Amino acid sequence: DAMVIQNPRYQVTQFGKPVTLSCSQTLNHNVMYWYQQKSSQAPKLLFHYYDKDFNNEADTPDNFQSRRPNTSFCFLDIRSPGLGDAAMYLCATSSFSNEQFFGPGTRLTVL
Amino acid sequence: AQSVTQLDSHVSVSEGTPVLLRCNYSSSYSPSLFWYVQHPNKGLQLLLKYTSAATLVKGINGFEAEFKKSETSFHLTKPSAHMSDAAEYFCVVSGDDTGGFKTIFGAGTRLFVKA
Repeated sequence: DAMVIQNPRYQVTQFGKPVTLSCSQTLNHNVMYWYQQKSSQAPKLLFHYYDKDFNNEADTPDNFQSRRPNTSFCFLDIRSPGLGDAAMYLCATSSFSNEQFFGPGTRLTVL
Repeated sequence: AQSVTQLDSHVSVSEGTPVLLRCNYSSSYSPSLFWYVQHPNKGLQLLLKYTSAATLVKGINGFEAEFKKSETSFHLTKPSAHMSDAAEYFCVVSGDDTGGFKTIFGAGTRLFVKA
């Protein structure tokens, strides 16, 4: 089945220690998104890629970076995680229809 | 600029009674609108979508929504609630006037279903 895969499902890191979250897709979609969802809140868009074009939301902290080496993969890098960055990170993909297909998420814990 | 407002943070219904989850949007163009459901500790699942075709949209699990441009609303309904419908529901607006993919989630409505 075509799908969106996120690894790892659970990630524990230490305060200030860089961490990378991974997303891959078999849908061959042009667009890939990263969201942050804190407990009992709505997902918040951090940035998205349209092919190789990177689109950063204005209020996304500089601490968050992303890479998309090819159509299938997209990475979220958190350069210096703080306690406030503990959250569920969701990856999604879409084609031109804007209908987004979500991965299961990576739950990040910062100690 | 676009925005989306879910008018109720919590809705409680009895099993077998109708469900109404309200959503209003603001946009300077014709956006795509979606409803997603998120069960506890589960991923987001698309219920239905409006992309400028029919204004009454039917989704999965008996849900439907009506796009009303004059009221800038996209309310989600279901004739008869089931216990398994208890979850968080998000109204989502996506797209912009440049054909981009900016996406905004509403704050969410928690649906409780009583036996």
